[in-house]
Amino acid sequence: AQSVTQLGSHVSVSEGALVLLRCNYSSSVPPYLFWYVQYPNQGLQLLLKYTTGATLVKGINGFEAEFKKSETSFHLTKPSAHMSDAAEYFCAVSENNAGNMLTFGGGTRLMVKP
Amino acid sequence: NAGVTQTPKFRVLKTGQSMTLLCAQDMNHEYMYWYRQDPGMGLRLIHYSVGEGTTAKGEVPDGYNVSRLKKQNFLLGLESAAPSQTSVYFCASRRAETEAFFGQGTRLTVV
Repeated sequence: AQSVTQLGSHVSVSEGALVLLRCNYSSSVPPYLFWYVQYPNQGLQLLLKYTTGATLVKGINGFEAEFKKSETSFHLTKPSAHMSDAAEYFCAVSENNAGNMLTFGGGTRLMVKP
Repeated sequence: NAGVTQTPKFRVLKTGQSMTLLCAQDMNHEYMYWYRQDPGMGLRLIHYSVGEGTTAKGEVPDGYNVSRLKKQNFLLGLESAAPSQTSVYFCASRRAETEAFFGQGTRLTVV
């Protein structure tokens, strides 16, 4: 069965500092991996995704993530945090099979200090 | 292009009442999902569907039923609401191998 673990339910950074949000997954088959962002009282918006091909993927708003099969990780990074990045971030995994369940991690709330 | 639309957006139920949440998508997606979001617990999958006429249980299916009679609609039913079902409910749809698109959520309070 697939699962996702996000280390750190809350992360706080200063404006301009590096953002690193951690995601580890388990999957019995090659996974599809996603990062979503949720702003208050809104739905989820896709930041970036890995399906096949290049393991370093770039997304919107300057975010990127690297798929590391050996570490079963898909950490999200951004070189310089902006106040507008304050939100909740979710990592998700989907196995490439007929079931196609989409499983989310517990989420990480990012706070950006001025 | 509406994407994924959930109705209603807000609802207050009394314990024991029933209701149906409607999810409609106009992207011709095969897969549809119902999640609940609770503080500190992320999104937990309730039920999902891989095509018209098919449904499957997710992580937390108890107390909920679903139906997918038409490809574009996925209904979530609560037969006898309980306070533990107070939550924000999200519907999502996707094609295989692609990302999911989410509705704006339904905030349900059971008193």
